Parts: sequence; C-alpha cells; structure tokens
Amino acid sequence: DVVLTQSPLSLPVTLGQPASISCRSSQSLVHSDGNIYLNWFQQRPGQSPRRLINKVSNRDSGVPDRFSGSGSGTDFTLKISRVEADDVGLYYCMQGTHWSTFGQGTRLEIK
Amino acid sequence: EAQLVESGGGLVKPGESLRLSCAGSGFIFRAAWMNWVRQSPGKGLEWIGRIKAGGTTDYAAPVKGRFSISRDNSKDTMYLQMNNLKTEDTAVYYCAWDGTFYFDMGLWGQGTTVTVSS
Repeated sequence: DVVLTQSPLSLPVTLGQPASISCRSSQSLVHSDGNIYLNWFQQRPGQSPRRLINKVSNRDSGVPDRFSGSGSGTDFTLKISRVEADDVGLYYCMQGTHWSTFGQGTRLEIK
Repeated sequence: EAQLVESGGGLVKPGESLRLSCAGSGFIFRAAWMNWVRQSPGKGLEWIGRIKAGGTTDYAAPVKGRFSISRDNSKDTMYLQMNNLKTEDTAVYYCAWDGTFYFDMGLWGQGTTVTVSS
C-alpha cells in the first residue's frame, strides 16, 4: 500500500500568517497515464471532508485563492497564504494513483 | 446541485449485519463511479471500496469478504452491505462521488454513524 506521511500533524498559526502542510508518498504518484492523482481535503469541525485541490494543483470551485497546491513525484505541499479563522480544521492529502490512501491528517488551529 | 445523502447507520453487536444507503441527486447517477470511505473515532480517513458505473466493485483488504457494495440505478442509490461486523468497524461512513476521474472524490455526503458494540 502507498503510505502518505503528512507533516506537521499539528499546526498552530497566527491569523493572517501563512501555513504549509507537507505530504510525502512512499512511492511515486505518477500514474501510467501521466497524471498525478493527489488531492487535498479540508474537514471543518463536525463536517464532512471537502475537496480543496485536485491533481496536485487544481483548485476546486469556490475554494479561495489563498489555497494552493504544488509538488511532483513523491513530495507535495498545501499552502495557505493568509490563514483565516474559517480555516480551522483537519487537512488530508489523498492519493488515487495506486488505489486510494489518505494521509494521517494535519490539525490547523489558531494560535 | 449535486448531493449525496447516506442513511442506515446505527448500533449493532459484533457479528451482526447492517446495510447503508447512499442516495445521489443532481448528477447522472448511473454513470457515476462511487466510493465508500470511513472515519473511525479520533482517526483519519480510510477508503473501503468503490463501485464503477458498470457495477464492478473493488474493496480494501480490511473489509474484503465481509462488505459488499451494490447499486440500484433506478433509485439513484448505492448500498454498503456490512456482514460479520467487528468493533473496529465502528466509524462514520461516507459515500463520495468520482465526478471527473477515478478517486477524485469531489463530492461527499454528510456521513452515517455505525457503532459496533456488545
């Protein structure tokens, strides 16, 4: 199974400051079709997961441009340019190249 | 607007069975690839299986042989039949739609809670 390792697992951030979450894969996520199926999800307290980024860097509809995704091969990053109170929650990376696995999750909180 | 609604969760004893439902609306359900994902208390997300548009299914190792996924396109509904439930199956179960590519999981339901306890 592909293992996704996120860091940090806890991320205290001051409002208005940037935040960054890393997701490292135990093997390359480049699919035989050339795509990289790496998504990022946000789960606010008491809510279902919501996809923010698909295929590494494509922001989903309605997602603020404060959120961005990047990476290649085995290393991926989710960045929030300026954290707002509404961003509190859990963030997960997920790969769909080799079946589907999720990272452990990163808890973002306001410092 | 596309929407998914899960139902059927509850409290069962170890060894018992339960069937969950996931009703889709706002998209062409019969063409949809659908997933089940669960989240155990205090733990992360775990993909447990999927059903393709044609009815082919795939399962994760922890549930293979105990869980089965089916669909009724006339009702725009997917099912998760869970047999021989174990305490470690206690979780919130979500369905998720692959709207554009496999495992894209661009849309999730609100989840339904399954508790397995004696």
